[in-house]
Amino acid sequence: DTAVSQTPKYLVTQMGNDKSIKCEQNLGHDTMYWYKQDSKKFLKIMFSYNNKELIINETVPNRFSPKSPDKAHLNLHINSLELGDSAVYFCASSQDRTGGSGNTIYFGEGSWLTVV
Amino acid sequence: AQSVTQPDIHITVSEGASLELRCNYSYGATPYLFWYVQSPGQGLQLLLKYFSGDTLVQGIKGFEAEFKRSQSSFNLRKPSVHWSDAAEYFCAVGAIQGAQKLVFGQGTRLTINP
Repeated sequence: DTAVSQTPKYLVTQMGNDKSIKCEQNLGHDTMYWYKQDSKKFLKIMFSYNNKELIINETVPNRFSPKSPDKAHLNLHINSLELGDSAVYFCASSQDRTGGSGNTIYFGEGSWLTVV
Repeated sequence: AQSVTQPDIHITVSEGASLELRCNYSYGATPYLFWYVQSPGQGLQLLLKYFSGDTLVQGIKGFEAEFKRSQSSFNLRKPSVHWSDAAEYFCAVGAIQGAQKLVFGQGTRLTINP
């Protein structure tokens, strides 16, 4: 069973469209994240949710809206897509919001978004 | 603010040779340090992590890393690389700002020559 799964894996869409990426974790973790990897492979956190509550919101355009219906799911909705949104979006989860030896962050396989 | 530097963008080694990937971090407190590997078209897999205690940590696939506080470094090593080790390697520091987040280096691409 995949611990952190994302859909779709590949998405090609036109500028101006609205799209969503879904993420589910079956690890029983409380905390989930979205990270963005740009074309230069640089990874940066976008959002973090702990038990459905938003706890990290980095400087991200408000066209990006995360939603967590329950602690096992964290979806990412993007409005009015722009060329610069083309990237790989990684969902991740961890046991809880704190650091510590048991609190490793586990990543999904990524969603490759291409905006044309 | 915390940051991670991986000085080598691209490294090429021959199969069977030893490997060392460099990582330097900047963080005001005791760091949590990680190495992740990303194979082409794949997600991120955790190789190893350091939280406290023994400064030499062992990971999966024969990798190890050594935490050196005096040098603010956490270099990744492997005594003998295999062709399947070709991938992108990311060093990260775990920062606590109300919640845990990882700050990544820019990655090192490893190419293996047969």
